Amino acid sequence: QSVLTQPPSVSGAPGQRVTISCTGSSSNIGTGYDVHWYQHLPGTAPKLLIYGNNIRPSGVPDRFSGSKSGTSASLAITGLQAEDEADYYCQSYDSSLIGGIFGGGTKLTVL
Amino acid sequence: EVQLVESGGGLVQPGGSLRLSCAASGFTFSSYSMNWVRQAPGKGLEWISYISIGSSTIYYADSVKGRFTISRDNAKNSLYLQMNSLRAEDTAVYYCARDRVVGGYLPYYGMDVWGQGTTVTVSS
Repeated sequence: QSVLTQPPSVSGAPGQRVTISCTGSSSNIGTGYDVHWYQHLPGTAPKLLIYGNNIRPSGVPDRFSGSKSGTSASLAITGLQAEDEADYYCQSYDSSLIGGIFGGGTKLTVL
Repeated sequence: EVQLVESGGGLVQPGGSLRLSCAASGFTFSSYSMNWVRQAPGKGLEWISYISIGSSTIYYADSVKGRFTISRDNAKNSLYLQMNSLRAEDTAVYYCARDRVVGGYLPYYGMDVWGQGTTVTVSS
């Protein structure tokens, strides 16, 4: 059971928009700790997609965007492409656990 | 090129020990805090440990506390994870990952550089 809750899977057709939610609590996202998002393809190194809730590292397409409100955060992907098919994880810090925390991950399928 | 390369994984019996290494290159290793993250088969990513630049601040996930020890050698640009009393549930791919900011003091800022991972299998 992950501290941050994500839907196990989402799907969308090429060109469509999908969102992935990440729900936390008052000891992590709700306290104001930043949320980061990673894209992970099996057998490869995870890739930082969004940091600081809504900031894209250099090289990440602007099709990816992040937001945060209260105890939740979201990752939105617009103009879905086949190459976006991957696992996506949210990550934050928890003051009760005194450590990093990840969501359980969401598998994105591009139909 | 900024790079992290893990090594030291393998097959170990329950109760055994293993030491993972992570070699850093292409950046000033001593300026960044570092993390270990793992992924068990069929499971998601799990943060397990963090060490600050001077090793003064160290954190562990409850799942490994008391069994795993993180350390670093800035002179050798290397990060380590000593794993003792290994259990079947420690079977996973282990990644080292760089803290996103220089001189961070909490696993708070996100991780921007990751290695390819090394596989640890705990089985008799």
